[in-house]
Amino acid sequence: GQNIDQPTEMTATEGAIVQINCTYQTSGFNGLFWYQQHAGEAPTFLSYNVLDGLEEKGRFSSFLSRSKGYSYLLLKELQMKDSASYLCAVLDSNYQLIWGAGTKLIIKP
Amino acid sequence: DVKVTQSSRYLVKRTGEKVFLECVQDMDHENMFWYRQDPGLGLRLIYFSYDVKMKEKGDIPEGYSVSREKKERFSLILESASTNQTSMYLCASRLQGGGHSNQPQHFGDGTRLSIL
Repeated sequence: GQNIDQPTEMTATEGAIVQINCTYQTSGFNGLFWYQQHAGEAPTFLSYNVLDGLEEKGRFSSFLSRSKGYSYLLLKELQMKDSASYLCAVLDSNYQLIWGAGTKLIIKP
Repeated sequence: DVKVTQSSRYLVKRTGEKVFLECVQDMDHENMFWYRQDPGLGLRLIYFSYDVKMKEKGDIPEGYSVSREKKERFSLILESASTNQTSMYLCASRLQGGGHSNQPQHFGDGTRLSIL
């Protein structure tokens, strides 16, 4: 079967750095997406990785290792507004998105 | 910016009713999707559509049907609502896949549906 694993919840301090991990086992791989979802709102697109390595976009970076079936989202200089759920999703060989259950990130002052 | 609009943010219906959830996108996207989102389970795909008049079952289609008569509109229908269909429903659209696999899905704000 297809499976995406993320931690259920993480806590971090304002101004710090946090890394949210995602491991996957899917039938084929055509890329990995990260989305942010604030409580009661729609998920919004953060990043897409299809090749190994780190993609940096401002305070947020996303890393992919296809051989390990592993990705992480790195958030730097955390702000209170970063409190949200972060969803990892993999595009499989049929170009269907397989979603993780999401990681709820709590930022404390 | 892509705009995906769902007809209602909150909806309360009774068991056995036929329920219609509407979704409209303004970016001429070919692909449209309906998900439900429940705590601890993540997003689960109900139905999707590659283009007008086309529909495909997702992972949990039982108890639902869909309609895509126009490219911009994708409707989700609960044939006879039941309490276990109480959930957050999210619609998404996306530019055609294949060579455009890096195109993300764009989501509406969701409809929180309660079945009493």
